[in-house]
Amino acid sequence: GQQVMQIPQYQHVQEGEDFTTYCNSSTTLSNIQWYKQRPGGHPVFLIQLVKSGEVKKQKRLTFQFGEAKKNSSLHITATQTTDVGTYFCAGGTSYGKLTFGQGTILTVHP
Amino acid sequence: DGGITQSPKYLFRKEGQNVTLSCEQNLNHDAMYWYRQDPGQGLRLIYYSQIVNDFQKGDIAEGYSVSREKKESFPLTVTSAQKNPTAFYLCASSKGQGTSYEQYFGPGTRLTVT
Repeated sequence: GQQVMQIPQYQHVQEGEDFTTYCNSSTTLSNIQWYKQRPGGHPVFLIQLVKSGEVKKQKRLTFQFGEAKKNSSLHITATQTTDVGTYFCAGGTSYGKLTFGQGTILTVHP
Repeated sequence: DGGITQSPKYLFRKEGQNVTLSCEQNLNHDAMYWYRQDPGQGLRLIYYSQIVNDFQKGDIAEGYSVSREKKESFPLTVTSAQKNPTAFYLCASSKGQGTSYEQYFGPGTRLTVT
């Protein structure tokens, strides 16, 4: 089936360092969504990207959708301890379903 | 207070028993979903429903069953045929069908089968 691959699986950073997670699909996506799951919690929607080459920002978070609509990235500038959690991308596929990536677990050391 | 509720938060069962996880939403959403979360594997879709009295298999439906008799409710039964039922189960809903709608997740049920 259609897969959305996300790397890295784990990322440990010192507070203040930047963080990036990448999402890749073998086929063109209709859209991509990003979710954050705090430890012990449930995924919460962050943002959706729809257009080729789209870039959106939310404070220290920058989301990009590739020109070919096959990849996406989430970049956090100057991480804080409140950023800890698992970040998931979810791609809209030709089957009309959202396919989630495996997630990147971010740990921030104070 | 609108949202999705799942109960119980923790559930323990003996191998060979069927168990039903509840999911209720008061968001008036049409679509509902069940996901399974295992370490390192992200969220995998079990079943989804776009309207009442209709549902479709997701990527890992074997050993599970669902019903959608009411718009608000989408219970999931983990049957004894499911080989590795121990996992964290998440229910979600969205306003409409299709991939452009954000999904709202419940708090999850952690099922342990021994």
